[in-house]
Amino acid sequence: DIVMTQTPLSSPVTLGQPASISCRSSQSLVHSDGNTYLSWLQQRPGQPPRLLIYKISNRFSGVPDRFSGSGAGTDFTLKISRVEAEDVGVYYCMQATQFPQTFGQGTKVEIK
Amino acid sequence: QVQLVQSGAEVKKPGASVKVSCKASGYTFTSYDINWVRQATGQGLEWMGWMNPNSGNTGYAQKFQGRVTMTRNTSISTAYMELSSLRSEDTAVYYCARVSVSVGAFDIWGQGTMVTVSS
Repeated sequence: DIVMTQTPLSSPVTLGQPASISCRSSQSLVHSDGNTYLSWLQQRPGQPPRLLIYKISNRFSGVPDRFSGSGAGTDFTLKISRVEAEDVGVYYCMQATQFPQTFGQGTKVEIK
Repeated sequence: QVQLVQSGAEVKKPGASVKVSCKASGYTFTSYDINWVRQATGQGLEWMGWMNPNSGNTGYAQKFQGRVTMTRNTSISTAYMELSSLRSEDTAVYYCARVSVSVGAFDIWGQGTMVTVSS
């Protein structure tokens, strides 16, 4: 199975300041069809996960443009340009390139 | 709107089975795979398996092989996940999630179903 490793596991951030989360996979996530199925999910307290970013850098419908994704191969990053109170929660990267789908351990974003 | 609505919380004894439902609305049920993911309290996300509602084809994580069964009833746009031989470690919130081929990710999630296994 592909192992997804996120850093940091906890990120205290000041409101209005940027935040960055790294995700590294144990194997390349480039699929044979040329796509890279790396997505980012947000889970607010007491809520189900919500899709933020798909295929590395595409924002899902309704996701604010302060969220952005980048990377390639085995190294990926989620950035929040200016953290708002509603961004508090746990963020997961997930790969769907290879069966079985696997998730990172999660990164908790909290306000300082 | 597009949504997945899951059945309510369950309390089961060790060794029993649980069957969780996931009702789709707002889209063509047979056009999108359904996956199941679970999350123990305070823990991360764990993928359990997938089902194609059109064909009924399934694929399960090795950890759950032999204990999990995913089925569907297309007439009521509902997917089911049954987990047998329950043990305390199966206590978790169980989510269904839709896969969009164009997005290549889990784009719509159910609200979750808490399953508690306790004697």
